[in-house]
Amino acid sequence: EDKVVQSPLSLVVHEGDTVTLNCSYEVTNFRSLLWYKQEKKAPTFLFMLTSSGIEKKSGRLSSILDKKELFSILNITATQTGDSAIYLCAVEGANNLFFGTGTRLTVIP
Amino acid sequence: GAVVSQHPSWVICKSGTSVKIECRSLDFQATTMFWYRQFPKQSLMLMATSNEGSKATYEQGVEKDKFLINHASLTLSTLTVTSAHPEDSSFYICSAKDGTSTDTQYFGPGTRLTVL
Repeated sequence: EDKVVQSPLSLVVHEGDTVTLNCSYEVTNFRSLLWYKQEKKAPTFLFMLTSSGIEKKSGRLSSILDKKELFSILNITATQTGDSAIYLCAVEGANNLFFGTGTRLTVIP
Repeated sequence: GAVVSQHPSWVICKSGTSVKIECRSLDFQATTMFWYRQFPKQSLMLMATSNEGSKATYEQGVEKDKFLINHASLTLSTLTVTSAHPEDSSFYICSAKDGTSTDTQYFGPGTRLTVL
């Protein structure tokens, strides 16, 4: 059974902290792993990872994939209140996109 | 855990025909369901929000007569793409909220529509 598991479910940190969000998966015919940020309506695309060990970086956000151990992490450094959101991990299989239930991040001033 | 299923997983149809996609919450009651469309570069667009027993709320730019959404029960919502054309080819994803205090959103695995 294909599945994507994210941890932790919820996280509350202070501004300036660094956080690491985890995503582990078991998906047949793996094609890519995607990270999204959801604040209001549609999730906003952050990263797509297809190869192990290559870090993707965008500002204070970075992500890396380990295809051997079947997981990915999303790092956010120097967190800001605007980073408060639900972060979703999704893994693309042959014909499907499997989502985790997300990590709810709350950054308090 | 809560599971959302979609049927079919993949459908190929001829231009001009209509296609119905089902979204089911398997072990919880979904008071609210969402329909998304995935565009190139993995971006997701919210098409509409549907609440059980009421008309769906469509996002700006989404044709309600073309994308018919029905949320007839607390476990089933359907999206019908009417008179499909090749430009409607896409990956359609539904999600459902369980209405609990955490209001977690569970995503379905998506349906790939190819219109020839």
